[in-house]
Amino acid sequence: NAGVTQTPKFRILKIGQSMTLQCTQDMNHNYMYWYRQDPGMGLKLIYYSVGAGITDKGEVPNGYNVSRSTTEDFPLRLELAAPSQTSVYFCASTSSVNTDTQYFGPGTRLTVL
Amino acid sequence: SQELEQSPQSLIVQEGKNLTINCTSSKTLYGLYWYKQKYGEGLIFLMMLQKGGEEKSHEKITAKLDEKKQQSSLHITASQPSHAGIYLCGAERSNYQLIWGAGTKLIIKP
Repeated sequence: NAGVTQTPKFRILKIGQSMTLQCTQDMNHNYMYWYRQDPGMGLKLIYYSVGAGITDKGEVPNGYNVSRSTTEDFPLRLELAAPSQTSVYFCASTSSVNTDTQYFGPGTRLTVL
Repeated sequence: SQELEQSPQSLIVQEGKNLTINCTSSKTLYGLYWYKQKYGEGLIFLMMLQKGGEEKSHEKITAKLDEKKQQSSLHITASQPSHAGIYLCGAERSNYQLIWGAGTKLIIKP
């Protein structure tokens, strides 16, 4: 199993540009999450999904959109990038059967200039 | 203030020494997770505690949950360079969401 994979690893965007952060897991997990991590602030939940076709907002959803058309994929969309969205983004997944562990991807480091 | 407070924010420890990191919640704890993060990498699951008084160990790392104090502690015995990194605690809320502490940065001096 590859676990949770994220692409790209790094990206620099100009203000107003858009992009999609990709997240894929091969563990057949129902639950998937997007977090952002800012220095000294821990992780903040952006959006989460409890299964294909179902998504919901987390703590900091503004400026982002998600979709969950398949169990494996959970892309995060930034429509109009702003400097405040400069952060490290982590995707995670967990099984609805065994929720003891959230498995994390390696992260995407995004800079908006 | 954050719902989950970690202390200290950073810690420099001589190799071979013991250390403790704390995670205190302002709300009742139902599930408490400890993760470790190395710079530029994702989070690695360490342990999950669910019951008050529960204690788990993995190699030289021990975590305890004090339900009454709404607090968990992570203790590392005889620290090694491989223990360096950022330690994060997460608390379970609804829909298996986790909220997170700000992290404790651990540096091990050789």
